[in-house]
Amino acid sequence: AQKVTQAQTEISVVEKEDVTLDCVYETRDTTYYLFWYKQPPSGELVFLIRRNSFDEQNEISGRYSWNFQKSTSSFNFTITASQVVDSAVYFCALSDRHSNNAGNMLTFGGGTRLMVKP
Amino acid sequence: DTGVSQDPRHKITKRGQNVTFRCDPISEHNRLYWYRQTLGQGPEFLTYFQNEAQLEKSRLLSDRFSAERPKGSFSTLEIQRTEQGDSAMYLCASSSGLAGVVSYNEQFFGPGTRLTVL
Repeated sequence: AQKVTQAQTEISVVEKEDVTLDCVYETRDTTYYLFWYKQPPSGELVFLIRRNSFDEQNEISGRYSWNFQKSTSSFNFTITASQVVDSAVYFCALSDRHSNNAGNMLTFGGGTRLMVKP
Repeated sequence: DTGVSQDPRHKITKRGQNVTFRCDPISEHNRLYWYRQTLGQGPEFLTYFQNEAQLEKSRLLSDRFSAERPKGSFSTLEIQRTEQGDSAMYLCASSSGLAGVVSYNEQFFGPGTRLTVL
């Protein structure tokens, strides 16, 4: 069965520090997609990125970057020069062929609460 | 372009009462999902619609839960004889994707309905 683990339940950093959020996943499928979502205090989940299992290239978008390593089943997320507005809960999620009977149902990790202090 | 909307945003009810929530997806999206999120946890999949057809239901969806999407547009989630354990945030999401076609498109989430059962 598919599973997503975010071992860091809470991280606190000072503004301008870099921070990496870890995500480890389990799946028996060779075709799958990984996602990151942000949930600010307002509660609405905001889509950040989608990555398929055949593309291990790292991706950078502004201060955000993602490192996908199939060898370690990890899809880590780094925020460079963190800002107070980055404070939120971040979720990693997986969708694979097994779950695709449900039209890409997402399996979420438990989330990491990031607190960025001024 | 409006996002996913949910109504009500908050619902307080007494144990044993019935409640109904509504979700309006992004207009061109034909896939609609319901998730449940309890405090400090990641969202958990409940059910999925492709247009008006309910194609998958999680084991979390007990007999007291029923969901509909009568015309393939908005959806309702009803909980009968509510229990204190039903207290959670109920999230609706939508995505694009053709019927019968495997896809892993990102899901866009609404603000959620927070249910409190006293």
